[in-house]
Amino acid sequence: AQSVAQPEDQVNVAEGNPLTVKCTYSVSGNPYLFWYVQYPNRGLQFLLKYITGDNLVKGSYGFEAEFNKSQTSFHLKKPSALVSDSALYFCAVRDMNNQNFVFGPGTRLSVLP
Amino acid sequence: SQTIHQWPATLVQPVGSPLSLECTVEGTSNPNLYWYRQAAGRGLQLLFYSVGIGQISSEVPQNLSASRPQDRQFILSSKKLLLSDSGFYLCAWNRGAPLEAFFGQGTRLTVV
Repeated sequence: AQSVAQPEDQVNVAEGNPLTVKCTYSVSGNPYLFWYVQYPNRGLQFLLKYITGDNLVKGSYGFEAEFNKSQTSFHLKKPSALVSDSALYFCAVRDMNNQNFVFGPGTRLSVLP
Repeated sequence: SQTIHQWPATLVQPVGSPLSLECTVEGTSNPNLYWYRQAAGRGLQLLFYSVGIGQISSEVPQNLSASRPQDRQFILSSKKLLLSDSGFYLCAWNRGAPLEAFFGQGTRLTVV
């Protein structure tokens, strides 16, 4: 069965500093990996995805993620954090057997001014 | 372009009352449709998904049911709400391509 882990409940970073939000996964077959962001009382917004190709994927709002097959990781990164990046971030994997998405528990990012 | 509509945005219902949340998708056909529940602003629990009209798969047995009366309409229902049904309900859709899912804005349900 597919699973996603986000080992950090909370990540705090100072504005202007680089940020990393961690994600590891377990899948059978090729992984289709996604990052979403959620602001309070809102739906999830798609940030980026890895399907195949380059291990470094670029997405919306300056975010990028690095796919590492040997470590089964897909960490979200941004070179310079903004206060407006403060939100809840979800990593997800798509189960191609039943079309479902398996989400991690979420990581709350706080960017401090 | 495709859009997803979910309503109402907020709902306060008494225990034992019925529930109907509606989700519609525009700009695509034959989407996969999903209902998720999010408790306490954290993880997402998949409740139901549908790959076609009248085809509903339930992931978790509970007090809720789902229906898909039309290709782009997905309804979440309950005959009698429980306090534990309170939460943030999210509808989502996707297709084979693009592979990502797109979410509605959510419904905050409070059962009192």
